[in-house]
Amino acid sequence: AQTVTQSQPEMSVQEAETVTLSCTYDTSENNYYLFWYKQPPSRQMILVIRQEAYKQQNATENRFSVNFQKAAKSFSLKISDSQLGDTAMYFCAFMPNSGGSNYKLTFGKGTLLTVNP
Amino acid sequence: EAGVAQSPRYKIIEKRQSVAFWCNPISGHATLYWYQQILGQGPKLLIQFQNNGVVDDSQLPKDRFSAERLKGVDSTLKIQPAKLEDSAVYLCASSRDRHGYTFGSGTRLTVV
Repeated sequence: AQTVTQSQPEMSVQEAETVTLSCTYDTSENNYYLFWYKQPPSRQMILVIRQEAYKQQNATENRFSVNFQKAAKSFSLKISDSQLGDTAMYFCAFMPNSGGSNYKLTFGKGTLLTVNP
Repeated sequence: EAGVAQSPRYKIIEKRQSVAFWCNPISGHATLYWYQQILGQGPKLLIQFQNNGVVDDSQLPKDRFSAERLKGVDSTLKIQPAKLEDSAVYLCASSRDRHGYTFGSGTRLTVV
């Protein structure tokens, strides 16, 4: 079974600054995907960024980038030039890619990020 | 494209009552999921459908929870009888395959 751990329940950052959210995971799988999701008060989970484990290059999506360390099973999210609209819960999630049709996402407990003006 | 539709948005019931949630996935998405998100935790998969067949229901409390996806489109999740610990947000999601997961806005259930 996979587990995902987010060790920072809450974080805050000043507008326009950079913040890094931490995530570690445990799995015996060799091929998998990792995700960061954002959940604003509207409750809808919004995909921020995705990383495929077989790709060594870290994924980047505009102001969002990841630091993926496969050997250390670490997957942190860096948000640059933080904006007030980035205030939300952020969840790290794992999905195995072992074939078949099991597309289960395993989530961490989340980090509440507050961006202060 | 239209998103994943869920209803109702909120529901308050007394313990031991029954409740049902509805989900309409994105058109063409073969896979549909129900997740339970208890306050302060990440979502947990309850059940995954591929078309109208069940792929994974290992974490569904089958003594009180049931789900169906008739004709491989809409789905309903039912709880009967509800317990206090069932208070949570119930999220529905759909995808074509392992990519393109789209979540609905969820139903917040309060059991009193």
